[in-house]
Amino acid sequence: GAGVSQTPSNKVTEKGKYVELRCDPISGHTALYWYRQSLGQGPEFLIYFQGTGAADDSGLPNDRFFAVRPEGSVSTLKIQRTERGDSAVYLCASSLQGRSYEQYFGPGTRLTVT
Amino acid sequence: AQSVTQLDSQVPVFEEAPVELRCNYSSSVSVYLFWYVQYPNQGLQLLLKYLSGSTLVESINGFEAEFNKSQTSFHLRKPSVHISDTAEYFCAALGVQGAQKLVFGQGTRLTINP
Repeated sequence: GAGVSQTPSNKVTEKGKYVELRCDPISGHTALYWYRQSLGQGPEFLIYFQGTGAADDSGLPNDRFFAVRPEGSVSTLKIQRTERGDSAVYLCASSLQGRSYEQYFGPGTRLTVT
Repeated sequence: AQSVTQLDSQVPVFEEAPVELRCNYSSSVSVYLFWYVQYPNQGLQLLLKYLSGSTLVESINGFEAEFNKSQTSFHLRKPSVHISDTAEYFCAALGVQGAQKLVFGQGTRLTINP
């Protein structure tokens, strides 16, 4: 079956602009996770959804970052007033409810802020 | 909270030589442990995981890792590497209870030389 998909695969934007990154989880997966991987680092947790609600957003770095999942499936990560330090690969993962030990990752969106 | 340390940022080895990638973790609660692999220009893939039971876990492509609770380690080993094993390897931990987020190490770049 289809895995986790993320669009776009690459996004280049200018400093100060607004961007949206999309994640389509595996069908039937109620849990969805966003991570950020900076160059030369391991992924870092941003936010976790269980259904439509954000169960844990402790990893969002500041209030410029926001994520939604209005229908419990597709999620959008939104970044306002982008900064060069936001440049990274943004990863999305999904899992079945209660099985966070089986997270399946998408290919990521590479965001470059110029 | 958990933390994961990968002691080597880069490991160069010759083809058919054995390799060990080191991983240590710190946690105040019981954890599940994982090794993920990221091949060039590809997404994160789960290589193997320790949830419970036997402390030695194996992957389908010849890697193995051993959970050592007393040393808080989860080192990854392969007795004979191939060129195709060239990749970035990430160790990760997940609390058995509580937060549902993976905590990753910084990664180890494994380079196989002919």
